[in-house]
Amino acid sequence: AQKVTQAQTEISVVEKEDVTLDCVYETRDTTYYLFWYKQPPSGELVFLIRRNSFDEQNEISGRYSWNFQKSTSSFNFTITASQVVDSAVYFCALSEATGNQFYFGTGTSLTVIP
Amino acid sequence: EAGVAQSPRYKIIEKRQSVAFWCNPISGHATLYWYQQILGQGPKLLIQFQNNGVVDDSQLPKDRFSAERLKGVDSTLKIQPAKLEDSAVYLCASSLGGRVGNEQFFGPGTRLTVL
Repeated sequence: AQKVTQAQTEISVVEKEDVTLDCVYETRDTTYYLFWYKQPPSGELVFLIRRNSFDEQNEISGRYSWNFQKSTSSFNFTITASQVVDSAVYFCALSEATGNQFYFGTGTSLTVIP
Repeated sequence: EAGVAQSPRYKIIEKRQSVAFWCNPISGHATLYWYQQILGQGPKLLIQFQNNGVVDDSQLPKDRFSAERLKGVDSTLKIQPAKLEDSAVYLCASSLGGRVGNEQFFGPGTRLTVL
């Protein structure tokens, strides 16, 4: 079974629009971490944000914000006022306490149109 | 701080040939990971090292793939012999330690094409 599901395969938005990327995860652990990574065309995965399972406080960091809801096992990521440089594939990942490997979703390809 | 280094960046080989990839993690990072990323998919863990010991290699196709991390720093991933389905990007990542929650830092990857 897929531990991390990113239902949106591709999203296109016009520059300056807000965009939310969805992530649903599955785990039986009570301690776990959730991550968002960005993979630009260059190919290198870049760490964006991390949240642990005991902290559901949602935060804003610059143009990025996230909505972590344990009740629905979701960890959605929002980019406000999108820019062309935000065009990339975004991956949600889960790390469980019972191991240290990351389980990645299949990614959402975001295209920001100027 | 220098990032994770990988070489080569691109490699084209014919099936049944051998290939090796090299990774140099961030200095001081005890944990090193090799991932396989097939086009259109998320990275899949192949093997995880803690220092020079293997922590998890459950998804490594051991009949053809091998990896080592001598001296607990650099690592090499080898495929012998390669198959068409091995065409993918091979990503190396490192983290400070094996503690859950440590973010992983990724290298630029090696894009392998098997003809």
